[in-house]
Amino acid sequence: QSALTQPASVSGSPGQSITMSCTGTSSDVGSHNLVSWYQQHPGKAPKFMIYEVGKRPSGVSNRFSGSKSGNTASLTISGLQAEDEADYYCCSYAGTTLVFGGGTKLTVL
Amino acid sequence: QVQLQESGPGLVKPSETLSLTCAVSGYSISSGYFWGWIRQPPGEGLEWIGTIYHTGSTYYNPSLKSRVTMSVDTSKNQFSLKLYSVTAADTAVYYCARRPRDYSFDNWGQGTLVTVSS
Repeated sequence: QSALTQPASVSGSPGQSITMSCTGTSSDVGSHNLVSWYQQHPGKAPKFMIYEVGKRPSGVSNRFSGSKSGNTASLTISGLQAEDEADYYCCSYAGTTLVFGGGTKLTVL
Repeated sequence: QVQLQESGPGLVKPSETLSLTCAVSGYSISSGYFWGWIRQPPGEGLEWIGTIYHTGSTYYNPSLKSRVTMSVDTSKNQFSLKLYSVTAADTAVYYCARRPRDYSFDNWGQGTLVTVSS
């Protein structure tokens, strides 16, 4: 299994919206609505942000939203804040296995 | 609130076996959910290692399957990872996490750094 493809970096100014992508195949991202997203600050464990493509766990800001089209899932963060600066990882069901993306570094300018 | 805590040696010699345990509190492993291991080499991304159910059913990353064994001890409410014949490429922060049926990881341990070096 190959890692899902994420852009290495994205950036935006405070208050703006950004969208980052997560591209897989019909065997993983495209097969089911079982994509999740994680936020990771330096030296910290990943934080659970989105599940089943676009659902938010309790306690996660509604500034974070997810969607999917075909084999590509996307994470959108609206109203960017300084604390959103972090690495973001997508993860997808892939049959009996799971596969992560390579990660995207979000810089808040 | 469920909490997970990894434990094990921080240094393992090449060709030896990496052994880690994840202690779960605030939730009984026997009640359900799957439980997983994920690792992150320094400066790199996340890699799924494998998942285990409380019954002992296991699912492994195909790239690691020949070297990995996961087990669960419901009496101690913990699960474990063994990675055999390690090399420097296995140096990473190892995380344990809870995996609901939606294939996400909703609760994570703090992670433990394991270095493979002689």
